[in-house]
Amino acid sequence: DIQMTQSPSSLSASVGDRVTITCRASQSIGRYLNWYQQKPGKAPKLLIYAASSFQSGVPSRFSGSGSGTDFTLTISSLQPEDFATYYCQQTYTSPWTFGQGTKMEIK
Amino acid sequence: EVQLVQSGAEVKKPGESLRISCQGSGYSFTTYWISWVRQMPGKGLEWMGRIDPSDSYTDYSPSFQGHVTFSADKSDSTAYLHWGSLKASDTAMYFCARRAIYGSGDTLDIWGQGTMVTVSS
Repeated sequence: DIQMTQSPSSLSASVGDRVTITCRASQSIGRYLNWYQQKPGKAPKLLIYAASSFQSGVPSRFSGSGSGTDFTLTISSLQPEDFATYYCQQTYTSPWTFGQGTKMEIK
Repeated sequence: EVQLVQSGAEVKKPGESLRISCQGSGYSFTTYWISWVRQMPGKGLEWMGRIDPSDSYTDYSPSFQGHVTFSADKSDSTAYLHWGSLKASDTAMYFCARRAIYGSGDTLDIWGQGTMVTVSS
């Protein structure tokens, strides 16, 4: 299985901060990398697909980049509604695998 | 509106069987695979596998192969996740999600609200 490793596992930040989450794959996955946001008690929500493409309705402060084994999710200016847990996921090969998650908390 | 609606929370004893459901609406159910995702309490997301509702082809993650079974009823636009013998370690929230191809890659673009399964003696 392809292992997905996110860093950091948790992050404390303030409204207005620029934050970056990284996701590393144990082998090359091209650009088959998605990002999801999950709020407590809710289902995950697709944010970014194919490493850098926005899902419809996602604010432009979110951006994704990377290819191969190293990927990033950046939020340019944190808003109160962005405090959540973020997961990367590879769909390059089955079994699809998720990163362990990055929990973003208010400083 | 495109949505997946899951069945309600379940409380079961170890060794019991269980089937939970995921009904799609607002789209052609047989056009999109359904994935199942587990989230144990306080933990991350784990992809369990997928089913193609058009022909019931399944693809299980090795971590779940042999312990769960996926099925689908095209006539009712419903996918199912079944356990033959539950364990306490099956206690988790289970999500179904629609697989869609965006660009050239797979995504899980629509999610059910989740079904909480609690297994306790």
